[in-house]
Formats: sequence, structure tokens, C-alpha cells
Amino acid sequence: DVKVTQSSRYLVKRTGEKVFLECVQDMDHENMFWYRQDPGLGLRLIYFSYDVKMKEKGDIPEGYSVSREKKERFSLILESASTNQTSMYLCASSLWDSTDTQYFGPGTRLTVL
Amino acid sequence: SQQGEEDPQALSIQEGENATMNCSYKTSINNLQWYRQNSGRGLVHLILIRSNEREKHSGRLRVTLDTSKKSSSLLITASRAADTASYFCATDNSGNTGKLIFGQGTTLQVKP
Repeated sequence: DVKVTQSSRYLVKRTGEKVFLECVQDMDHENMFWYRQDPGLGLRLIYFSYDVKMKEKGDIPEGYSVSREKKERFSLILESASTNQTSMYLCASSLWDSTDTQYFGPGTRLTVL
Repeated sequence: SQQGEEDPQALSIQEGENATMNCSYKTSINNLQWYRQNSGRGLVHLILIRSNEREKHSGRLRVTLDTSKKSSSLLITASRAADTASYFCATDNSGNTGKLIFGQGTTLQVKP
């Protein structure tokens, strides 16, 4: 079974802090994704990586950056956390193209105070 | 950008009844997928239907796709309390990058 793990289930940070959310997949998938999920807005893509060190902006990249130094690990970085970044963050991976299933991690609920 | 829009936003039914959720999208697609999310958890893939397919079944799930109307429906037959979850459609927006665009979801409550 594909397993996608996220570093924390719950995280509380203060405004202005630098925040790292980590995601690891164990199935040698090419693609990895970071989404945020907010009530009434569904899932919105923040960043997408299709290969090591390759990344592409999603719909809402402002205030975020990503790092993919190894194929199995995709990190989301909040350079200076703000209260409007309080949200559920979901990581996913998929093998290759859009016919492939995306496998999701359990999510990290981030609260920025 | 929002591609899929689910309807209704929320649905409440009794155990044993059928649940139907609809998804509309705006641009051409290669395929459409449905996912399920239990409260506060990650999403789980349910079924994929390709643009040249009209109907697909998987257990108690039946998915239809009408590309002329740019819409899909997910039918859950003989629902169970364990089916209580949010359901999302996702489209590939005719690209081949692996990216999917998710709708806002339908929240289904199945009462025992």
C-alpha cells in the first residue's frame, strides 16, 4: 500500500514564524502536491512537484515556498506565517500523469496565532 | 481555479437510501475522478472515469459522465452510516501533468 505521511497532525505557530511542513511518500512517485483546504473553498493547489528539484506554482502560491531535494520528500515552507494561513494542509503524491490516483496524507491542521 | 462544482453542497439521508451527488466542470477533460474524505482526514480515491466512458461501477458506486453537458454524477446505493463523509470530484483539465482540480465537495450524512 502507498503510504503518504505528514510530519504533524496538529501544529500551532505564532505570526511571523517560519513554518516547515514535511511530507514523505514511500512508493517512488514522480508527482507530489501540497493543497490547503478551507470550509466552502474545497482543495486548492499551492505547489506541485513533478520531479526532484522541479516545482510548479499552483493556484495560491503566495506566502509559500517548497523544497524537493529527494524524490520521496516534499516540504512546504511558510516563510512568515500569518493568521490567514490557518488551515488544513494536505499532501498528496501520484505516480505520473492525471490518470493516476492521488494518494493523500492524513493532513496537518495548522493554527497561526 | 475551481473546475468541478459539486451539487448539492450537503445531503442527509437515511440508511438504506440511495445518495446521488453531481459534479459540473467547465473545460475539456481526459478523465474525472471521485474521492472521499472522512472528517478531518486525507482524501481516498474511489473511482476514475475516462472521457470516452459513459458509466462505471465499483461495488455500490455508480459513476456517470456526460461530456456534452460537462457533468458527472456519483450514485451510492443502499447507503450505510459508514458512508458519511465528504465527496469530491476532480478533473485533469485536459492536461497531462498529473495535476487535478478538485471541486468544493458534497457532505453526505447517512443517518442510522
